[in-house]
Amino acid sequence: GQNIDQPTEMTATEGAIVQINCTYQTSGFNGLFWYQQHAGEAPTFLSYNVLDGLEEKGRFSSFLSRSKGYSYLLLKELQMKDSASYLCAVRVLTGGFKTIFGAGTRLFVKA
Amino acid sequence: DGGITQSPKYLFRKEGQNVTLSCEQNLNHDAMYWYRQDPGQGLRLIYYSQIVNDFQKGDIAEGYSVSREKKESFPLTVTSAQKNPTAFYLCASQTETSYNEQFFGPGTRLTVL
Repeated sequence: GQNIDQPTEMTATEGAIVQINCTYQTSGFNGLFWYQQHAGEAPTFLSYNVLDGLEEKGRFSSFLSRSKGYSYLLLKELQMKDSASYLCAVRVLTGGFKTIFGAGTRLFVKA
Repeated sequence: DGGITQSPKYLFRKEGQNVTLSCEQNLNHDAMYWYRQDPGQGLRLIYYSQIVNDFQKGDIAEGYSVSREKKESFPLTVTSAQKNPTAFYLCASQTETSYNEQFFGPGTRLTVL
């Protein structure tokens, strides 16, 4: 089956660094996405990885290891507005492209 | 402005009634998706369509139906057969290449009384 695991909740302090992990077991892997979702709103795209390694985009970085079925999202210089859910999603090719979403990690940033 | 619209934002229905949620995009995307999100959970795929006049069931299609008569539109009908329809429904679209992200509409929160 297709499965994505990520921690349910995390808490971090404003200005700090936090790493949100994601492990996946999927067939037909075709890329991994991270989305941010504030409560009651639609998810918005943060990053995409298809090859192993680190992708950096401002305060956000995402890492992928395909052999380990593992990714992480790194948030630096945390701000209060970063309090949100972070969804790990894997795109798979199984008779057409589909995206499978993890349950999300709720991040609380405290002052 | 290009984007995806969903209407209404909030919808209330009585149990046993069918209800249709609209989703329109002007991004010229081929693929469109419907997801359901329940409190504290991730997105679960209901139906998806990669081309006009064609669609496939996702992981939780029972009790739902869709149509794709136009590229821009992908309405979802929640039928009375759906046992637990109260949820947040999200529509998304994407160009049909694997390295592009999905763009989401603002969502419709459906409450069945």
